[in-house]
Amino acid sequence: GAGVSQSPSNKVTEKGKDVELRCDPISGHTALYWYRQSLGQGLEFLIYFQGNSAPDKSGLPSDRFSAERTGGSVSTLTIQRTQQEDSAVYLCASSLGLAGENPYQETQYFGPGTRLLVL
Amino acid sequence: GESVGLHLPTLSVQEGDNSIINCAYSNSASDYFIWYKQESGKGPQFIIDIRSNMDKRQGQRVTVLLNKTVKHLSLQIAATQPGDSAVYFCAEIHDNQGGKLIFGQGTELSVKP
Repeated sequence: GAGVSQSPSNKVTEKGKDVELRCDPISGHTALYWYRQSLGQGLEFLIYFQGNSAPDKSGLPSDRFSAERTGGSVSTLTIQRTQQEDSAVYLCASSLGLAGENPYQETQYFGPGTRLLVL
Repeated sequence: GESVGLHLPTLSVQEGDNSIINCAYSNSASDYFIWYKQESGKGPQFIIDIRSNMDKRQGQRVTVLLNKTVKHLSLQIAATQPGDSAVYFCAEIHDNQGGKLIFGQGTELSVKP
């Protein structure tokens, strides 16, 4: 079946502009996650959704970052007034359920990512 | 703070040999561990996972070992192939944290033909 999809695959923007990144999770997955991967770095948690609610936003770097999820499906990560340090690969993942619910339903499957370059 | 770290940043093996990638974690309360493979320009690909109540789990050509006494996780790849060349990440998660995966820095595996 279809995996997690993300769009755009690449985005180049100018400093100060706003960008929106989109994630389509695997059908039926209730949980959705956003991570960021900077050049040569590991993956950094940003936020996760259970349904349309975001119980944990602790990883968002600043108030310029926000995310929403509608209809328990598609999610959008918005970065306002982009800065050069925002340049990274933004990865989305989804899972059937959350950790602590049913064993192994918390396995997260990742999309291909959106490569963001802020000039 | 909490962290999941990898002992070796790079590993080079000969095609057909077995590979072992290691990972140390610092939080004994972690409940679930995952190995991901990431090829250049792609998102992380799930390989295998294990819960904290197990010490070994096998998949196709891969085995994950968990030693909770020394907080160590390893990924064994049998008969390594050129297609196995990638960066491998271990990650941990706590049952009470919903879905926040904590990743290690990654080990780059290079398979020589």
